[in-house]
Amino acid sequence: EPEVTQTPSHQVTQMGQEVILRCVPISNHLYFYWYRQILGQKVEFLVSFYNNEISEKSEIFDDQFSVERPDGSNFTLKIRSTKLEDSAMYFCALLAGRQFFGPGTRLTVL
Amino acid sequence: KNEVEQSPQNLTAQEGEFITINCSYSVGISALHWLQQHPGGGIVSLFMLSSGKKKHGRLIATINIQEKHSSLHITASHPRDSAVYICAGVGSNYQLIWGAGTKLIIKP
Repeated sequence: EPEVTQTPSHQVTQMGQEVILRCVPISNHLYFYWYRQILGQKVEFLVSFYNNEISEKSEIFDDQFSVERPDGSNFTLKIRSTKLEDSAMYFCALLAGRQFFGPGTRLTVL
Repeated sequence: KNEVEQSPQNLTAQEGEFITINCSYSVGISALHWLQQHPGGGIVSLFMLSSGKKKHGRLIATINIQEKHSSLHITASHPRDSAVYICAGVGSNYQLIWGAGTKLIIKP
């Protein structure tokens, strides 16, 4: 089964700071996703990324968010100026028949 | 708008009981995932199905395309099955549209 790692596992930041969350698939894949889960709420789709381009994004994924695959392996989610409501668990996933998830990054914005 | 509704929200049962979790979805969803989320937060995909039935160990998932309904069954439930079970629809770019989850507690 494809393996996905995410770093960091927990990030604490001050409101207004930029954060970069990283996702590292162990093997080559083309379809990637970012989801988030605010504590106590359901998981929400943020963005899908296919062949190094955004293929779809949700209403949540506004100008504060960006994704890229800078070196062909890492897949990053950047939040430019964090808000308190960005505090959540962020999961990346890859598609290999079905979706395989990383362990998540818990982002806490103070 | 693509939507996924799950029931029940919470389910507590005794060890050994047969468990059923239900999921209804709207048009535009081509397939369904059933996923498991443990207290630590990790998410594992159990099944993806677009028709019929799939079985893995004590887990069985069924889907009725005409009625836009799917069920996840657990036979001979065990305390280690305690987790949140989530159904999620597959959208046009294979992104997942998530249900709210069912928190299952199996008591010994």
